[in-house]
Amino acid sequence: DAGVIQSPRHEVTEMGQEVTLRCKPISGHDYLFWYRQTMMRGLELLIYFNNNVPIDDSGMPEDRFSAKMPNASFSTLKIQPSEPRDSAVYFCASDGAHSGNTIYFGEGSWLTVV
Amino acid sequence: GENVEQHPSTLSVQEGDSAVIKCTYSDSASNYFPWYKQELGKRPQLIIDIRSNVGEKKDQRIAVTLNKTAKHFSLHITETQPEDSAVYFCAASKHYKLSFGAGTTVTVRA
Repeated sequence: DAGVIQSPRHEVTEMGQEVTLRCKPISGHDYLFWYRQTMMRGLELLIYFNNNVPIDDSGMPEDRFSAKMPNASFSTLKIQPSEPRDSAVYFCASDGAHSGNTIYFGEGSWLTVV
Repeated sequence: GENVEQHPSTLSVQEGDSAVIKCTYSDSASNYFPWYKQELGKRPQLIIDIRSNVGEKKDQRIAVTLNKTAKHFSLHITETQPEDSAVYFCAASKHYKLSFGAGTTVTVRA
């Protein structure tokens, strides 16, 4: 398996623009997670899905953030409108019973909002 | 929710010496405790994990111990090598939801 695949790997955008981050989980995994990593706040769980259904979105910072999982092989995290404080690395991760309940991370999307 | 505290925040060791990182957690229902290693610019990668029904686990130079009564767990790296230099994160999980510690930056001096 190619692992968790994220795109784009790097994005630089202007404040106020919409940003869409994409994720393809490992095939067969039924849990998908979105994390954000910053120096100040470390690794934060934003939202996670089970069988495409959002289970816990308590980590989503505000209404500008939204996430969807229309099918088992694709998820998006959208920020609209983006702000400089959203600059961070956004990791997608997936997990499933057959992986021994081990969470595997994608390479991350490095977002800079100027 | 779960609160994971990790110490120390930075650790410098001489090559060949041991490194120990300690974490505590708050939710007694947490039952899965992984450790991740993150090199600069890379993703966190699992290096070892332990479940609540086990007290200790070893994998070559890495070992993890868990004390459920005290709600703390530790990572031990023996015979450290330069490639062990990285940021290490502990985490605690209940129902698939991982909460991470703040991380420990380990530097191995040659």
